[in-house]
Amino acid sequence: EAGVAQSPRYKIIEKRQSVAFWCNPISGHATLYWYQQILGQGPKLLIQFQNNGVVDDSQLPKDRFSAERLKGVDSTLKIQPAKLEDSAVYLCASSIDRVHTEAFFGQGTRLTVV
Amino acid sequence: GENVEQHPSTLSVQEGDSAVIKCTYSDSASNYFPWYKQELGKGPQLIIDIRSNVGEKKDQRIAVTLNKTAKHFSLHITETQPEDSAVYFCAAIYNQGGKLIFGQGTELSVKP
Repeated sequence: EAGVAQSPRYKIIEKRQSVAFWCNPISGHATLYWYQQILGQGPKLLIQFQNNGVVDDSQLPKDRFSAERLKGVDSTLKIQPAKLEDSAVYLCASSIDRVHTEAFFGQGTRLTVV
Repeated sequence: GENVEQHPSTLSVQEGDSAVIKCTYSDSASNYFPWYKQELGKGPQLIIDIRSNVGEKKDQRIAVTLNKTAKHFSLHITETQPEDSAVYFCAAIYNQGGKLIFGQGTELSVKP
């Protein structure tokens, strides 16, 4: 079974530029999460989707971050404009649904804002 | 609030010794508690989980215990090996809706 796929693996941008990350969850998984992991810290939930609907985005900085999950499969997370403090690893995870909560993570995208 | 506290932040043991990592959570309605292992440059990998209807679960050298009354749960690794060296995260589900909240992580170092 293929795992959660993310791209790109690494991205370096200048502050105030925009960037987008892509995630393809495990086939059949209805729940998709985006996490931000700053170096030395635990993953922080940014947004949670159930199919193509948002379940929770209370921690998403909506003035600069946006995410979508069209058709309830792939998802993209965008930052515009980026700030230095956005430097982190962005992790995508998926689970079968909100009841079967075993979540599986991708390798992440390491973003460096300079 | 939605919070998971994890201790210690770093743990160093000799190969063959046991390691214990502890976490506390705040939502009494939480019913699912996974543990993840994260190696350098990789995403977190699920290693064991426990649901609120059991008090202990074991898988070879790894065990997890849950005390719902006290709202804490622990990871126990016995006969540690150098390849167990990694960062370990506990997590808990909040809002009964799959919102997975993580602890701050424990960096485990197993010395040969």
